[in-house]
Amino acid sequence: QSALTQPASVSGSPGQSITISCTGASNDVGNYNLVSWYQQHPGQAPKFLIYEATRRPSGVSNRFSASKSGNTASLTISGLQAEDEADYYCCSFAGSNTWVFGAGTQLTV
Amino acid sequence: QVQLVQSGVEVKKPGASVMVSCKTSGYPFRKYGISWMRQAPGQGLEWMGWISDYDGKTSYAQKHQARLTMTSDTSTNTAYMELRSLTSDDTAVYYCARWNLLVSTGDYWGQGTLVIVSS
Repeated sequence: QSALTQPASVSGSPGQSITISCTGASNDVGNYNLVSWYQQHPGQAPKFLIYEATRRPSGVSNRFSASKSGNTASLTISGLQAEDEADYYCCSFAGSNTWVFGAGTQLTV
Repeated sequence: QVQLVQSGVEVKKPGASVMVSCKTSGYPFRKYGISWMRQAPGQGLEWMGWISDYDGKTSYAQKHQARLTMTSDTSTNTAYMELRSLTSDDTAVYYCARWNLLVSTGDYWGQGTLVIVSS
């Protein structure tokens, strides 16, 4: 199972919006609405941001939103803040109780 | 509150095995599963495998199937990950996460365990 494709890095200024893409295949992202997104600050464990492709758990800022179309999922962060600077990972169900992560995207604010 | 606490740093020689534990609390252990991920230095997250805490059923990434065993102890609410025949490529931080199978999400994560493989 190959890692999902994410841009290596994205950047934005405070207050702006950015979008991170996550491209998979028809047997993972394209076949299930079971994409999740995680934020990881340096030296910390990942933090859960989005589940079921578009749903945000309670406690996660509404500046984080997500979508999916075909084989590509996307995470949008609006009103960028300095604290958003981190690595972001997507993850998709790939069938038969297996999952695959994206390679990760480094966000610079 | 939900907590996953992992065992400490491990230093192993090539060819050895390592077992990392993940002690959980704050939720009904058998209602969820545990996934294990790893992150090599400067690299991204890699899903390694999953175990159902309900019935012990496992699934492993094909890459790790031959060397990986996941188990869980429902009496102590602890999950274990054993990786055998270690090489320097296995040097990484290993994470456990409570894995909500219904929504395919790791909603709570352990703090990570650094495993160093060096001669």
